Amino acid sequence: GQNIDQPTEMTATEGAIVQINCTYQTSGFNGLFWYQQHAGEAPTFLSYNVLDGLEEKGRFSSFLSRSKGYSYLLLKELQMKDSASYLCAVRDGDYKLSFGAGTTVTVRA
Amino acid sequence: IAGITQAPTSQILAAGRRMTLRCTQDMRHNAMYWYRQDLGLGLRLIHYSNTAGTTGKGEVPDGYSVSRANTDDFPLTLASAVPSQTSVYFCASSDAGEGGEQFFGPGTRLTVL
Repeated sequence: GQNIDQPTEMTATEGAIVQINCTYQTSGFNGLFWYQQHAGEAPTFLSYNVLDGLEEKGRFSSFLSRSKGYSYLLLKELQMKDSASYLCAVRDGDYKLSFGAGTTVTVRA
Repeated sequence: IAGITQAPTSQILAAGRRMTLRCTQDMRHNAMYWYRQDLGLGLRLIHYSNTAGTTGKGEVPDGYSVSRANTDDFPLTLASAVPSQTSVYFCASSDAGEGGEQFFGPGTRLTVL
């Protein structure tokens, strides 16, 4: 099985940077995903890491260290629309995802 | 372009009743999934199907059943609903293999009284 931990809540100011950490313990690893979920809506895909290192996609970047069981999602130049829950998910060898409980990010003006 | 559709959007159900949540995708994805999302617990996998004709159990399968008669449809059935099945249910699909992010439907909000 998978044990995935991420902070429950984070607050940041518009224009700032926020880093959401995710640690995992896994019986099999086949990639790590980050999803964004606005209140009352479905999760939407943000990023995917399967090799160690940083993946950058516009204002969002995601980092993975497989040896440490650690990932982070970096949100730069925060905007009010970035207020949402961010879900860390680990994929196992059968291509099933296990999700963390999510981190609610609140962006303040 | 529809992607994934779910029906109904929301439902209030008496305990003991049978209920089928519908899910249809038009992306020709091989794999489909059912999750429930509860406050503080995140998304938990109920059942999945890697290809038409096959299904598997996820983390919380008890009280639920699924079928996968074709590529597009993946219904979830609650044979006899209980209040603990009150939740938001999401269907998802993906291509098998590398990358293969999951695409989620809009969800069904189910309340069992």
